[in-house]
Amino acid sequence: EPEVTQTPSHQVTQMGQEVILRCVPISNHLYFYWYRQILGQKVEFLVSFYNNEISEKSEIFDDQFSVERPDGSNFTLKIRSTKLEDSAMYFCASSRQGVGTDTQYFGPGTRLTVL
Amino acid sequence: DAKTTQPTSMDCAEGRAANLPCNHSTISGNEYVYWYRQIHSQGPQYIIHGLKNNETNEMASLIITEDRKSSTLILPHATLRDTAVYYCIVRPLQGAQKLVFGQGTRLTINP
Repeated sequence: EPEVTQTPSHQVTQMGQEVILRCVPISNHLYFYWYRQILGQKVEFLVSFYNNEISEKSEIFDDQFSVERPDGSNFTLKIRSTKLEDSAMYFCASSRQGVGTDTQYFGPGTRLTVL
Repeated sequence: DAKTTQPTSMDCAEGRAANLPCNHSTISGNEYVYWYRQIHSQGPQYIIHGLKNNETNEMASLIITEDRKSSTLILPHATLRDTAVYYCIVRPLQGAQKLVFGQGTRLTINP
């Protein structure tokens, strides 16, 4: 069964450094998402992406964040200058379409630790 | 904000049916009910979704009340591997496609 994959599984970085989290969505999916979960808290939506454009973003997704689909398979989340409060699990998800009947499938996550 | 209310935690004996309730009294006619679960800190896993009819798949059954203001997720024969946090999410057919997660129900399956 196709699945969303994410690399790395764990990323440790120093405050102020740039990090890039990578995701490979399911191959025939067209909509891509990033969510994050701070330890002990709810899963929060960050951004959705379709046709090489951001279709929706949350208040969390400020200028420090960016997303890109650099090739036909990868979908990346970049944090330009990490802060301590960016420490969280980051989940990528994908869906075939962007309608309410279409299921989003999540990857296993990347644990980001900012020191 | 999440538009659903779920109990914080529940316990169920292994092999028994686990019935997880969800209240979504403000649901509108074009909104679906989705269920996901999260095992430990893994990515949320899709379970099932429905609009107004009851649904069943290989993982679970979803029972939606006639007025659609509440639903119940049923795991027919719970195993230890079903221990997880279960999220009930209301999602519109059109428009914003983000999933809005609440705190969910922490289900513990006991041997």
